[in-house]
Amino acid sequence: GEDVEQSLFLSVREGDSSVINCTYTDSSSTYLYWYKQEPGAGLQLLTYIFSNMDMKQDQRLTVLLNKKDKHLSLRIADTQTGDSAIYFCAETSPRWGNYGQNFVFGPGTRLSVLP
Amino acid sequence: GAGVSQSPSNKVTEKGKDVELRCDPISGHTALYWYRQSLGQGLEFLIYFQGNSAPDKSGLPSDRFSAERTGGSVSTLTIQRTQQEDSAVYLCASSHRTSGGGDTQYFGPGTRLTVL
Repeated sequence: GEDVEQSLFLSVREGDSSVINCTYTDSSSTYLYWYKQEPGAGLQLLTYIFSNMDMKQDQRLTVLLNKKDKHLSLRIADTQTGDSAIYFCAETSPRWGNYGQNFVFGPGTRLSVLP
Repeated sequence: GAGVSQSPSNKVTEKGKDVELRCDPISGHTALYWYRQSLGQGLEFLIYFQGNSAPDKSGLPSDRFSAERTGGSVSTLTIQRTQQEDSAVYLCASSHRTSGGGDTQYFGPGTRLTVL
C-alpha cells in the first residue's frame, strides 16, 4: 500500500534553518501537506502543495516537491523555540474516484530547537 | 463554531467498558474523518464520512469499533469492550469536500483515551 516516510528526529539551533524531509510512494498523489502538532494539541495545517507545483513559499516556510523522486521537504527559516513540535507529512489522492479519499501520514518528525 | 471540537478531551476507562467519543465538525463541512494516533506513532486512518454515509470504513481495526454520523454533522466513534491497546489519541478532522482532487482537512484537538 501507499507509504510515507520521514526521519523521526531533528535538532537545530535557534536562528538556523530547519529542513524536514519526506518521501512517499504513491505516484498518483495529488496534494501533499505539512502539519504541525505541538505537545498536547491537535494537528495544525501549515501548508500544502499541489502535485503540479515544485515550490511553494509562505513566510518562513518553503515547501519543495520533487515529484520524480517522490520527495517533499519543508524548510523553516530562522527557526524559533516556538517551532519545536512534531511535523507530519501527508499525501492524498482520489483513490476512489469522487468518493472518498484518505490521507496517508508519515510518522512525524520531532523538531527540537536548541537555544 | 470556529473549528473542529471533540469531547471529552481526556477519557480514562477500565478494560472491557464501552466508550463514546464525539466530534463536532466545522459547520458546512461535508466530509468527516477519524484517525488514531498511538504513542510515538503516526496517524492511522479509521473511517471517512461523506454526509451521513461512510464510504470508507477500511481503517476500523476490529468490529469493536463503530462510528456514526447523523444529520451530516456530529459524529460519534464508539469502542466496545475496550482493550489496553485501544489507548491512543483519537483525532477527528473535517473538510469541505470537493469532487476530484484534494481537500484540506481541519483537525480537532483530539480525545486522549487511556484504558487501564
